[in-house]
Amino acid sequence: GENVEQHPSTLSVQEGDSAVIKCTYSDSASNYFPWYKQELGKRPQLIIDIRSNVGEKKDQRIAVTLNKTAKHFSLHITETQPEDSAVYFCAASSRANSWGKLQFGAGTQVVVTP
Amino acid sequence: EPEVTQTPSHQVTQMGQEVILRCVPISNHLYFYWYRQILGQKVEFLVSFYNNEISEKSEIFDDQFSVERPDGSNFTLKIRSTKLEDSAMYFCASSASEILPLHFGNGTRLTVT
Repeated sequence: GENVEQHPSTLSVQEGDSAVIKCTYSDSASNYFPWYKQELGKRPQLIIDIRSNVGEKKDQRIAVTLNKTAKHFSLHITETQPEDSAVYFCAASSRANSWGKLQFGAGTQVVVTP
Repeated sequence: EPEVTQTPSHQVTQMGQEVILRCVPISNHLYFYWYRQILGQKVEFLVSFYNNEISEKSEIFDDQFSVERPDGSNFTLKIRSTKLEDSAMYFCASSASEILPLHFGNGTRLTVT
């Protein structure tokens, strides 16, 4: 089955700097890659997703890149702010299994210090 | 913005007891899911549900687990005879279609003593 690895497990950045989180996946059939943000005690919230027919997607300060050949995808947060502090999860799924059957990474604790 | 709601937020139960975790998906959503997260571990898929039947389940979802949509709004996860290792945060999620993103609830923290 699919296995998603996520790095780093923790990331400390100064406010205003960029943060990059990387994920690799094992199943070449995976073609949907969402990113979720989870604040302490709250629900995972989708912040951006990408499908395999594109290599990059951007939404304001957040961008995701996908390299299907290398089977990795990354989340980029620019101009970080204290409210970006949270745990970020990457995930992958494929139509072959079910797009809703997400395989999650272990999560990255991002701390943005003022 | 509509949300997936889960009750209770925290459930404590004794080993061997049955528990029912409840979820109210977003009203126009058709696909429903349960995930769980054991403390310090990954979020894991348990089961997906569509058109009043299970569409897929993981190896974790064995005979002690069942799901039901008893009426037009609720979606429940029943654990028949809880074990200590069932202690986890259980998340319900829903989506409007198979290809649209999942929306998660706030979770139910289950503690089995």
